Amino acid sequence: QVHLVQSGAEVKEPGASVKVSCRASGYTFTTYYIHWVRQAPGQGLEWMGLINPSGGSTTYSQKFRGRVTMTRDSSTSAVYLELSSLRSEDTAVYYCARDLGVVLAPANNYFDPWGQGTLVTVSS
Amino acid sequence: EIVLTQSPGTLSLSPGERATLSCWASQSVSSSYLAWYQQKPGQAPRLLIYGASSRATGIPDRFSGSGSGTDFTLTISRLEPEDFAVYYCQQYGSSPYTFGQGTKLEIK
Repeated sequence: QVHLVQSGAEVKEPGASVKVSCRASGYTFTTYYIHWVRQAPGQGLEWMGLINPSGGSTTYSQKFRGRVTMTRDSSTSAVYLELSSLRSEDTAVYYCARDLGVVLAPANNYFDPWGQGTLVTVSS
Repeated sequence: EIVLTQSPGTLSLSPGERATLSCWASQSVSSSYLAWYQQKPGQAPRLLIYGASSRATGIPDRFSGSGSGTDFTLTISRLEPEDFAVYYCQQYGSSPYTFGQGTKLEIK
């Protein structure tokens, strides 16, 4: 069974950086794209970008370009989201989610399954 | 960026009733690249529908999707108690891939 398991909650001060991990199991890690989506408290969903775990190539939403870095570690089947220059508006639950498409083709860009989410709180 | 608007914001129905949720796009969604997700409190979203009308694996056939262009609909034919949740539409035809603000389906 496919599982995405994320790291625990984080509290950061404004201006700091945060790194969230997402470990995949139940399938061949390098086969499927992984996306990151966030959800502010009581709000909707916002797509941040994706990573190809096979070669490490990334595509970021223009909104986050310059502040976001997505990486992967194939030896541990994990992907990472790093967000820098944090501000209060970045307080949200951050989800990793697997693409339905394989990396031999363009990403499908819809998502299933999802990780359990990681709450990042930005507060002084 | 394509803006998705969902209606209604909240829908109050009873188990056994039919639910119709709408999603309008600010511009045409190419190739009907429209998905629907269900989210329950404290849980991650779950994919229900992709390609506007294709059910994801394991999704009961009481869930159906339709529409094209700018107008899309999710229908739940007969509500079960476990269907009361928040539903989001998502377009994936044009980056950035955007979501609607959600429709909360609550028990009447």
